Amino acid sequence: EDKVVQSPLSLVVHEGDTVTLNCSYEVTNFRSLLWYKQEKKAPTFLFMLTSSGIEKKSGRLSSILDKKELFSILNITATQTGDSAVYLCAARTGTASKLTFGTGTRLQVTL
Amino acid sequence: DGGITQSPKYLFRKEGQNVTLSCEQNLNHDAMYWYRQDPGQGLRLIYYSQIVNDFQKGDIAEGYSVSREKKESFPLTVTSAQKNPTAFYLCASSIPGQNPNYGYTFGSGTRLTVV
Repeated sequence: EDKVVQSPLSLVVHEGDTVTLNCSYEVTNFRSLLWYKQEKKAPTFLFMLTSSGIEKKSGRLSSILDKKELFSILNITATQTGDSAVYLCAARTGTASKLTFGTGTRLQVTL
Repeated sequence: DGGITQSPKYLFRKEGQNVTLSCEQNLNHDAMYWYRQDPGQGLRLIYYSQIVNDFQKGDIAEGYSVSREKKESFPLTVTSAQKNPTAFYLCASSIPGQNPNYGYTFGSGTRLTVV
C-alpha cells in the first residue's frame, strides 16, 4: 500500500522564523513529489519535484527531493502570517498519475 | 479562463438519501479524480477516470459511484451505503501519461453535511 508521511503534524512559529516541513514516502511506480498549500478550500500547487538534489525555489519557499532516501523537505524562510495554512505533500504514481497524500502539516505563524 | 467548477459549494443531506456532486472542467484534461478530505487528514482518492466511459476505484470507493459520459464532466454520487459521508470533497483533473511535469488542477470543493 502506498504511504506518505508528513511531520510535524502541526507547528506554531513566530513571524520571521524559518521552518522546515518533512515528507517521506513509500510508494510503487513513483513519478514525482508534489507540495500544496491549503488555506480554506482547494489546495494551491507549490512545487513538483522529479529529480533528486535539485532545489526548486519560489520566493521564500524552496523544496528538494531525495529519491534515495525517499524524502522531501519544504523550507519557508522569513515566515509571514500569510504562510499560515496546511501544507500537503503528495506522491504521484503510475501511468494514471494518481496522487497519494500525506495528512498535512498545519503551520501557524504568529506575530 | 480554464478551470474546474464544482457545485454546489455546500450540500446538506438527510440520512438515507443519495446526492450527486458536480464537477466540470474546460481544461481539455483527459484524467479526472475525486478526493475526500476529513478534518485533520489528507486527501483520499475515491474514484478516478483516465478516459471517457472508463473509471477505476480508488482507495475508498465503497458507498460512492461515478460516471464519465463526457470528457468535461465527472459527477460523484454519494449513496446511502456510505456510512459517514460528511466531508469535504475535491475534484481534480490532469493530463496523464509519461510527462511528469503536469500538476493537478483542483476545483474549489463541495462540503457535504449529513443532517
